[in-house]
Amino acid sequence: GAVVSQHPSWVICKSGTSVKIECRSLDFQATTMFWYRQFPKQSLMLMATSNEGSKATYEQGVEKDKFLINHASLTLSTLTVTSAHPEDSSFYICSARDPGQITGELFFGEGSRLTVL
Amino acid sequence: GQNIDQPTEMTATEGAIVQINCTYQTSGFNGLFWYQQHAGEAPTFLSYNVLDGLEEKGRFSSFLSRSKGYSYLLLKELQMKDSASYLCAVSPNQAGTALIFGKGTTLSVSS
Repeated sequence: GAVVSQHPSWVICKSGTSVKIECRSLDFQATTMFWYRQFPKQSLMLMATSNEGSKATYEQGVEKDKFLINHASLTLSTLTVTSAHPEDSSFYICSARDPGQITGELFFGEGSRLTVL
Repeated sequence: GQNIDQPTEMTATEGAIVQINCTYQTSGFNGLFWYQQHAGEAPTFLSYNVLDGLEEKGRFSSFLSRSKGYSYLLLKELQMKDSASYLCAVSPNQAGTALIFGKGTTLSVSS
């Protein structure tokens, strides 16, 4: 099946620093990728839709200047958490659809757990 | 608005059958998905329903009633490894848009 890879799996950083998370589709091309955030025992909340070759679309309440998204190619999207603060500590998960899959299911990366000290 | 409801927690014993319900109210509908998520891991796809009726896949089955905005996931012959969170998700629009997730149902299977 389709594979989405995310890196890093774990990251610990100091408050005020920036962290970049990479999301790659390994065996298909994704013009669109989705970034979700999940707090403990909470649902996956859509943060933004990453579009190859154009600006990302952010959900209401998500600061686009804080969560920078770049979709540089058909297989890579990056999320940069700028000036991270402890409240940004969360589980960030990227996902994408394989155009060859009829069901339209989302394939998820492994997730990146961010801890901001 | 978009709203997806499912029970927060459920418990069951090994070998038993459990049904996890999901109701949804969304601006549009283009399919309902069930995902399994173990703690600290990403969700994995279980099932997809776009037409009314039952879809069976091994020990797992999923049912959809579009007129009622209702779905359930049925897990048979429960095993300890089935202890996980089960997420109900709806695609509100045509393919290419993100899924909207419910809060998930944490299932605990005991021996």
